[in-house]
Amino acid sequence: ETGVTQSPTHLIKTRGQQVTLRCSSQSGHNTVSWYQQALGQGPQFIFQYYREEENGRGNFPPRFSGLQFPNYSSELNVNALELDDSALYLCASSLVEASGTQYFGPGTRLLVL
Amino acid sequence: QQQVKQSPQSLIVQKGGISIINCAYENTAFDYFPWYQQFPGKGPALLIAIRPDVSEKKEGRFTISFNKSAKQFSLHIMDSQPGDSATYFCAARSNYQLIWGAGTKLIIKP
Repeated sequence: ETGVTQSPTHLIKTRGQQVTLRCSSQSGHNTVSWYQQALGQGPQFIFQYYREEENGRGNFPPRFSGLQFPNYSSELNVNALELDDSALYLCASSLVEASGTQYFGPGTRLLVL
Repeated sequence: QQQVKQSPQSLIVQKGGISIINCAYENTAFDYFPWYQQFPGKGPALLIAIRPDVSEKKEGRFTISFNKSAKQFSLHIMDSQPGDSATYFCAARSNYQLIWGAGTKLIIKP
């Protein structure tokens, strides 16, 4: 186990709704990255947070937003949900100076109907 | 240019055999190349990683071979075991961001 936890494990929402996913980092890690993994595909980088600031962003629209808290835990918020948002959402924690070594949580499986 | 191309999409290997997964990239700014292993229902887990100034790295049964001039790198799993059956992802880092391959589903037949 990596020590990275995510909640909830599963979630069902309807199109147009908003969702908040949560992540607790591994102890000592100051950086959190969020990924979207569609079925049968590799993870797609959404964004990264370091010291409560967004430190990089992938090709995702502004309705995907995030927060990092002083204890390095993090939230991913998605507004105006679309059917294509159905995926596994992964949170990974790391040290900013070792960002290639990321420790992943088990993910949150989101289904949008 | 930010893509990492991974092949094959799926691979079946007999127990005890060698599993080989290949990746190719275009962006010469990539500075770190990890491989992740993912089991169903779990998040990816770091398996082994290499920097572009090294041509080979070995950890137990797992070896990365890196060819900087060809912009290719590969994962070799020696003496493959049924417990190695999983999906494997190569990745490359640029500006703190990991770019991932599409994954290879590996099945080891007993």
